[in-house]
Amino acid sequence: KAGVTQTPRYLIKTRGQQVTLSCSPISGHRSVSWYQQTPGQGLQFLFEYFSETQRNKGNFPGRFSGRQFSNSRSEMNVSTLELGDSALYLCASAPAMNTEAFFGQGTRLTVV
Amino acid sequence: QKEVEQDPGPLSVPEGAIVSLNCTYSNSAFQYFMWYRQYSRKGPELLMYTYSSGNKEDGRFTAQVDKSSKYISLFIRDSQPSDSATYLCANPSNDYKLSFGAGTTVTVRA
Repeated sequence: KAGVTQTPRYLIKTRGQQVTLSCSPISGHRSVSWYQQTPGQGLQFLFEYFSETQRNKGNFPGRFSGRQFSNSRSEMNVSTLELGDSALYLCASAPAMNTEAFFGQGTRLTVV
Repeated sequence: QKEVEQDPGPLSVPEGAIVSLNCTYSNSAFQYFMWYRQYSRKGPELLMYTYSSGNKEDGRFTAQVDKSSKYISLFIRDSQPSDSATYLCANPSNDYKLSFGAGTTVTVRA
């Protein structure tokens, strides 16, 4: 069974640009969550989607947004990038909400 | 107060030693817990998932939950250099978000 796939794996962007990251969950999983991981803050919850609806949102500015498609694939978008947005962005899928989550390898975003 | 507290270490042990990792949690609403292992520059990998008090074993790994003291532990027996990684504990918060500890970095010396 294929795991969680995130694309791209690495990304370099300039301040002020926007970026879209993609996540394909494990087949049959309907919940997709996004996290930001930095050395100083650890794993920070961004949002969770289930059946195309955002069910929960973390304490991030409105520049961070996401969506989920009918096939459970998800995208997150960050607009007007700032240097502080440089991080590893992780996607996790789960069969349902509030169950064990399986992570992808992440997208490492560098903002210069 | 963070919902999940974890000593960030680092922890360095000789090969073959028992590794003991601990977390405390504050939320009692969701009584299930997870341990993840994360190698450098990789995503976290689910190691153990437990929802009851007591011990759960999986090979060299044992997860222990003490709900009375809100304490969760992970033990690694016969540690190997390949166990060198960061270990994260997780527990859902009251608003259904999965809260993670800061992670403990473990080095197993050959």
